[in-house]
Amino acid sequence: EVQLVESGGGLVQPGRSLKLSCAASGFTFSNYGMHWIRQAPTKGLEWVASISPSGGSTYYRDSVKGRFTISRDNAKSTLYLQMDSLRSEDTATYYCATDWRSNWYFDFWGPGTMVTVSS
Amino acid sequence: DTVLTQSPALAVSPGERVTISCRASESVSTRMHWYQQKPGQQPKLLIYGASNLESGVPARFSGSGSGTDFTLTIDPVEANDTATYFCQQSWNDPLTFGSGTKLEIK
Repeated sequence: EVQLVESGGGLVQPGRSLKLSCAASGFTFSNYGMHWIRQAPTKGLEWVASISPSGGSTYYRDSVKGRFTISRDNAKSTLYLQMDSLRSEDTATYYCATDWRSNWYFDFWGPGTMVTVSS
Repeated sequence: DTVLTQSPALAVSPGERVTISCRASESVSTRMHWYQQKPGQQPKLLIYGASNLESGVPARFSGSGSGTDFTLTIDPVEANDTATYFCQQSWNDPLTFGSGTKLEIK
């Protein structure tokens, strides 16, 4: 059974850092690109970052470039999102998702982890 | 960025046919995908590549369109289809989503 489980969310002050993890199981993690998508409370969905199967290529939306870093450990089947210089507008539920066919859509999503940026 | 415009809400009765539209501000070819999100849950992929049904999704769901105009159809609608439906394009950078259409089953 395919599973994605995010962790690491919580309450953090503006300007501080947080690192999210996404533990994958039930598939060969190293074969597939992975994504982070977020959803602010009662709002729509927003793509955040993506990473190639090897981790050699990464992609970000402009508003997080230079502040967020996506990475992966294929030996641990785990995806990460290092979030630095956090802002109130980063408050959201963060989902990790798979990309089975490498076509830049999201086949399977984890249940998400909530990040609240507030003083 | 490519803006995807969806109607905010729809209400239909069980057994009816419903169409949910998504209009893109520029062409996205057929790189349009649809998701269902029920309250308190993560989104679920329904349709990819405008018209391809994801494995395990009931055949009541279908998608069509190309270029800038796309449609998700549910026929017939069932009570448990109550959810918000999002479109997402993967033709232009950055990847973008529509704001969602909330479907209520009367």
